Amino acid sequence: DTEVTQTPKHLVMGMTNKKSLKCEQHMGHRAMYWYKQKAKKPPELMFVYSYEKLSINESVPSRFSPECPNSSLLNLHLHALQPEDSALYLCASSQECRLCTGELFFGEGSRLTVL
Amino acid sequence: KQEVTQIPAALSVPEGENLVLNCSFTDSAIYNLQWFRQDPGKGLTSLLLIQSSQREQTSGRLNASLDKSSGRSTLYIAASQPGDSATYLCAVIQGGSEKLVFGKGTKLTVNP
Repeated sequence: DTEVTQTPKHLVMGMTNKKSLKCEQHMGHRAMYWYKQKAKKPPELMFVYSYEKLSINESVPSRFSPECPNSSLLNLHLHALQPEDSALYLCASSQECRLCTGELFFGEGSRLTVL
Repeated sequence: KQEVTQIPAALSVPEGENLVLNCSFTDSAIYNLQWFRQDPGKGLTSLLLIQSSQREQTSGRLNASLDKSSGRSTLYIAASQPGDSATYLCAVIQGGSEKLVFGKGTKLTVNP
């Protein structure tokens, strides 16, 4: 099973809403990632968790709050977003740990629209 | 700072052609290079991973090569099919980093 599952597939929210994106993998991977992708652009790294600890935060605004409850789950909590935050949010995982040099497996993404 | 460039940005070919997609990177101190495929509005599918010590990897009709010293990789697709139409992304992981640096992709269209 090389699957990374993301829910929901589509999310529409207002600027005052609080919502969450969820990501799950059962490959035993200990590194999990959030990427943001705007139309016709490559994915941009947001956060990296390694062994359930946040190891990289790419200066992401605090209205995005990641959480890694256990080694299989990764959440992205959203609050007070702006319309420019509308994008495809991609979750990924990889096998390697400290250096995270293994192959990355991506989910299908959550398409977020902020009104 | 690592920069990844993919040429061409778009490519249109008739079905059955063999084709090559190019990827170059500025810093040769990479751990690995990964080729992905992305269909419109979808996630990324990993195609091939080449470790820095390897020269090439093959999977079915796909062959990826890596020349680390010159900072180049190519993805060769044999006997292209309309189902190969997608955007192909090249990405590298820098030595000592957990960050995957992406190129902007090549949009491939294979015409029946």
